[in-house]
Amino acid sequence: NAGVMQNPRHLVRRRGQEARLRCSPMKGHSHVYWYRQLPEEGLKFMVYLQKENIIDESGMPKERFSAEFPKEGPSILRIQQVVRGDSAAYFCASSPPASGSENEQFFGPGTRLTVL
Amino acid sequence: AQKVTQAQTEISVVEKEDVTLDCVYETRDTTYYLFWYKQPPSGELVFLIRRNSFDEQNEISGRYSWNFQKSTSSFNFTITASQVVDSAVYFCALTNNDMRFGAGTRLTVKP
Repeated sequence: NAGVMQNPRHLVRRRGQEARLRCSPMKGHSHVYWYRQLPEEGLKFMVYLQKENIIDESGMPKERFSAEFPKEGPSILRIQQVVRGDSAAYFCASSPPASGSENEQFFGPGTRLTVL
Repeated sequence: AQKVTQAQTEISVVEKEDVTLDCVYETRDTTYYLFWYKQPPSGELVFLIRRNSFDEQNEISGRYSWNFQKSTSSFNFTITASQVVDSAVYFCALTNNDMRFGAGTRLTVKP
């Protein structure tokens, strides 16, 4: 049973380009969470999605960032017109359906975004 | 609002010493869950423990133990007889609908 998969593991973008980060949850999991970890800092919640629905996006920056979790395929975190301050590790986590906060979130290995 | 505070930014110990990592949380919810994760130098997040707000029983797992005290809103983590492989950043987290992480404590265990 494969764990949470994220790709790419490392992504380099120039300022102004777009970054697309993908997350495939564990098999059977329908809840996906995205977190950002700035260098030398803890993880910050960004968004919580279920299939085709955004449940909580209170941690998402108001501009340039968007997330989706379509019916088919991985969840995508999209950052438009990246800036150097977007350089961070982005972690995805998933949890089983019908779950609330009581369930453990299983984390992917993260995508390390570097903006030049 | 939910908040997790890990006041210890960095801790350095010598192998075989015991070490306690502090975690204090704030929440208005009566039902919530607390977690500890380990992030080794390789960067992945490793789940260590989950505790719900109704279960204040302390837990021991090998060299790891956790002390949950609702009265002081604390969920401290102790490593007994630390080893070099314990060197990592440890995160405490609180969740109801979303997970709030503390800033982490970087533990260095020296040989």
